[in-house]
Amino acid sequence: GAGVSQSPSNKVTEKGKDVELRCDPISGHTALYWYRQSLGQGLEFLIYFQGNSAPDKSGLPSDRFSAERTGGSVSTLTIQRTQQEDSAVYLCASRQGLSNEQFFGPGTRLTVL
Amino acid sequence: AQSVSQHNHHVILSEAASLELGCNYSYGGTVNLFWYVQYPGQHLQLLLKYFSGDPLVKGIKGFEAEFIKSKFSFNLRKPSVQWSDTAEYFCAVNPYMYSGGGADGLTFGKGTHLIIQP
Repeated sequence: GAGVSQSPSNKVTEKGKDVELRCDPISGHTALYWYRQSLGQGLEFLIYFQGNSAPDKSGLPSDRFSAERTGGSVSTLTIQRTQQEDSAVYLCASRQGLSNEQFFGPGTRLTVL
Repeated sequence: AQSVSQHNHHVILSEAASLELGCNYSYGGTVNLFWYVQYPGQHLQLLLKYFSGDPLVKGIKGFEAEFIKSKFSFNLRKPSVQWSDTAEYFCAVNPYMYSGGGADGLTFGKGTHLIIQP
């Protein structure tokens, strides 16, 4: 069956611009997570959604980062006024109900020039 | 907050050698434990997981891991590696939920880059 999909696969932007990254979770998965993978910091948790609400935003690195999820499905991670240190691979994962297993998407590679 | 340490950042082995990758975690409560693998150019895939019960868990592709509670460890093992095991390996943890589900985001170790020489 279809896995987690993310778009775009690559995004190059200029410093100061806003970017939107999209995640399509596995159908029927109620929980959705965003992570960031960078050379210096490894894999970091950013935010978690249960349905449309985000009970845990503790990993968002600054107020330039925000995320939303509508209809309990697609999620968008927005980074405003991008900085070079935002360059990383942004990963999305989804989880079904009471399962503990998170399924990861292929990621979006963001490069801020 | 929890943390995860992977002691080996780069490991180079020959085919058929045995593998053990170390993982230690820090957390005051009960945890779920995971090993994920990222093959070159591919996305993260689950190798194996531990929630409760038998501390020796078996995963895909001949991998296994043992949870030793007293040592806060969850080391990954494989008796005989293959060239196709070349990948990045990540240990991860999140708090165990008695009601079911692992709601919290995963805390990952820094990863171990494994290279298998033919």
